[in-house]
Amino acid sequence: EIVMTQSPPTLSVSPGERATLSCRASQSVSGNLAWYQQKPGQAPRLLIYSASTRATGIPARFSGSGSGTEFTVTISSLQSEDSAVYYCQQYNEWPTFGQGTKVEI
Amino acid sequence: QEQMQESGPGLVKPSETLSLTCSVSGDSISSSRNHWGWIRQPPGKGLEWIGNVFYSGDTYYNPSLRSRVTISIDTSKNQFSLRLTSVTAADTAVYSCARFLSGIFDLWGQGTLVTVYS
Repeated sequence: EIVMTQSPPTLSVSPGERATLSCRASQSVSGNLAWYQQKPGQAPRLLIYSASTRATGIPARFSGSGSGTEFTVTISSLQSEDSAVYYCQQYNEWPTFGQGTKVEI
Repeated sequence: QEQMQESGPGLVKPSETLSLTCSVSGDSISSSRNHWGWIRQPPGKGLEWIGNVFYSGDTYYNPSLRSRVTISIDTSKNQFSLRLTSVTAADTAVYSCARFLSGIFDLWGQGTLVTVYS
């Protein structure tokens, strides 16, 4: 099983600030990594796949980078609606998720 | 509009079988592009992939749950289903169905809470 570790567990930021969330894989997943956003009471929404490709309808302020075992998602200018839990998921083998980073604004 | 909706009992007794169905609208479950999957999230915890099914009926399961899980597909109803046997309190979670395309879950249902209680 590929274990995904996200950091930090919680990130408190102000509107307009930049936020960087990290995800580390226990072994290389190449570029087979996705990010999801989950707001309270809602289903997760796909943000980014293939480590850096934004999904349809995702604002340009969200960007992803990384390969191998280290990945990040950056929110360039946080808005209030970005308050959520963000999960990474690898699909190099059977899918596994990180434990999530809660972004508080 | 593409949508997925879970249905099934919200309460299950320990040692019994959890059964859920996912109804898909706006997309054909017979499409050769997609797999269809189940993911769960225990209260206050992260996401856990349960398994996927292909339109052909081929299945792929999380090794940690494989002995207790069956996922099946009904193309005539555009639905797929989850069965999890011998449940315990550890199986209490929000269960979500999702479309699985090239490794990613690009469309999700709202999820349904299943509580295992005695």
